[in-house]
Amino acid sequence: QQPVQSPQAVILREGEDAVINCSSSKALYSVHWYRQKHGEAPVFLMILLKGGEQKGHEKISASFNEKKQQSSLYLTASQLSYSGTYFCGTDIWGGATNKLIFGTGTLLAVQP
Amino acid sequence: DAGITQSPRHKVTETGTPVTLRCHQTENHRYMYWYRQDPGHGLRLIHYSYGVKDTDKGEVSDGYSVSRSKTEDFLLTLESATSSQTSVYFCAISATDSYEQYFGPGTRLTVT
Repeated sequence: QQPVQSPQAVILREGEDAVINCSSSKALYSVHWYRQKHGEAPVFLMILLKGGEQKGHEKISASFNEKKQQSSLYLTASQLSYSGTYFCGTDIWGGATNKLIFGTGTLLAVQP
Repeated sequence: DAGITQSPRHKVTETGTPVTLRCHQTENHRYMYWYRQDPGHGLRLIHYSYGVKDTDKGEVSDGYSVSRSKTEDFLLTLESATSSQTSVYFCAISATDSYEQYFGPGTRLTVT
């Protein structure tokens, strides 16, 4: 049930773009994206809901293809602060518990 | 930042001993979660709670039990610790009307 993330790791120069993908074998009610910096706790980035609604705190864009059970996170004009491990969390149950299954993560390193 | 703390932050224990980790929140959020994080596995849900005395299993619940006698505290117990339970444990909280999970600082547990 764990979603598959790709790539596993990516190295960028400042200003370059990156795409992180998340694919599930189960139908999804929503996809959540989190970023974790080394030695810190994960931090919420955004949620994508069935029907197209998106909610997030940062200027990061993402897409959610419900039919393909996939989501992609787009990081444009990357900054050093974007470095960290990105996790997608998938909700395959719906309801209010907000229970998620997380992917194994994508390590993003942005270099000067 | 959400008011969520975990104790202890670090612990080394021997195989076969019981261990209890505590998660404390000051946000009065309904939902609380325990995750473990291991290299190559991402975040995996152990147990979660949807109210006082209301708990349910997650993906990797074997060998773990939880209790929630007050809204603010969620305890994770390893009845008889094993080396496979060496991990970083994160607690998270979520409000009823929000999709965002706020993570605590984590507890690094080593079972020797």
